[in-house]
Amino acid sequence: AQKITQTQPGMFVQEKEAVTLDCTYDTSDPSYGLFWYKQPSSGEMIFLIYQGSYDQQNATEGRYSLNFQKARKSANLVISASQLGDSAMYFCAMREGTTSGTYKYIFGTGTRLKVLA
Amino acid sequence: NAGVTQTPKFRVLKTGQSMTLLCAQDMNHEYMYWYRQDPGMGLRLIHYSVGEGTTAKGEVPDGYNVSRLKKQNFLLGLESAAPSQTSVYFCASSPSRTSGRALETQYFGPGTRLLVL
Repeated sequence: AQKITQTQPGMFVQEKEAVTLDCTYDTSDPSYGLFWYKQPSSGEMIFLIYQGSYDQQNATEGRYSLNFQKARKSANLVISASQLGDSAMYFCAMREGTTSGTYKYIFGTGTRLKVLA
Repeated sequence: NAGVTQTPKFRVLKTGQSMTLLCAQDMNHEYMYWYRQDPGMGLRLIHYSVGEGTTAKGEVPDGYNVSRLKKQNFLLGLESAAPSQTSVYFCASSPSRTSGRALETQYFGPGTRLLVL
């Protein structure tokens, strides 16, 4: 079973509008973290936002917010006021503990966002 | 503070050749990871290390070997390259689970593009 699922291979949004990128996850670890990364065409991975499993409030970082619905196991990324520079691939990732007491990260397959002028 | 660096940035190999990819980090992170990124498949973990002298297999370890002789370096080796190993390889590092830095994400290198003919 997929641990991280991103069901939208591609999305379009009009400049200045908001867009939501979906992410659902599956884990039995009560202490986990959820991350979103942006990968522009240049290829580097840019960290956007983090949500801990015990955080009561949704994380926000500037125009990025994470809509965390723990019971539904979803961690959707909301980008407000889209800009042309937001066009990129977006990855959702989960950090969970391992039986050996360490961490591991699991990535979704990504959503390619195109912002239209 | 260079963060995570990868050498080389791009390489072309012939089937059967060997090579080593070097990853270096200057953030004193305990954990280091090697991923490969293929179209439509997100990032998949090849091998990882939770400390100097220790390595472990990830999701797709076959055909690769790794070594972590120094805390700051993590080497990925291909003993006999195959066309299926054509990919973009990312190295990442992160603090350990016991470091008290749970809010920190993985930090990624710029990637190495490998083409195996």
